[in-house]
Amino acid sequence: EPEVTQTPSHQVTQMGQEVILRCVPISNHLYFYWYRQILGQKVEFLVSFYNNEISEKSEIFDDQFSVERPDGSNFTLKIRSTKLEDSAMYFCASSRDRGLTYSNQPQHFGDGTRLSIL
Amino acid sequence: AQSVAQPEDQVNVAEGNPLTVKCTYSVSGNPYLFWYVQYPNRGLQFLLKYITGDNLVKGSYGFEAEFNKSQTSFHLKKPSALVSDSALYFCAVRTGISGNTPLVFGKGTRLSVIA
Repeated sequence: EPEVTQTPSHQVTQMGQEVILRCVPISNHLYFYWYRQILGQKVEFLVSFYNNEISEKSEIFDDQFSVERPDGSNFTLKIRSTKLEDSAMYFCASSRDRGLTYSNQPQHFGDGTRLSIL
Repeated sequence: AQSVAQPEDQVNVAEGNPLTVKCTYSVSGNPYLFWYVQYPNRGLQFLLKYITGDNLVKGSYGFEAEFNKSQTSFHLKKPSALVSDSALYFCAVRTGISGNTPLVFGKGTRLSVIA
């Protein structure tokens, strides 16, 4: 069964440095998402992406964050200047949803990247 | 704003016994409800969803969930628990039918099945 893959599995970065988290969504999926999970807390939505632009974003997704689909397969999350509170597990997800036709197809998640800010 | 509550941080059940993991929701429109499971060091794995139709939905690994509109609940159930069911379970809701509507998750319930 096709999977969402994320790299690296663990990223350690100094505070203030830029970090890029990478994701390869399932190939025929059209919607892409980033979520994060701070240790011991709930999974929180960051951003959704469709047709090469952001569809929706949460208040967590401030100017320090950006997303990009640089080619036909990768979907990246960039944090421009990391802070200690950015330490979390970051999950990428994708789904086949395309408007009403495939409404509410489940989102498929990758195994996550654990980001540790020192 | 939509929200999901999972009132139990931890559920312990003996192998072979039925299990229930509770979830209640609060939404302004029609709820679209999901259950995900997370095994250690893994991502969230889809179990089942309720969109419309029968209130009892069946999913992966023998799990099922019952949608109760009057009680705004969507409890996850399994008739006979396995040790391998031990994991972290998340209930989630979305109110939009288009693909960009994000999932709102509960805080998760850790299920421990004891042999």
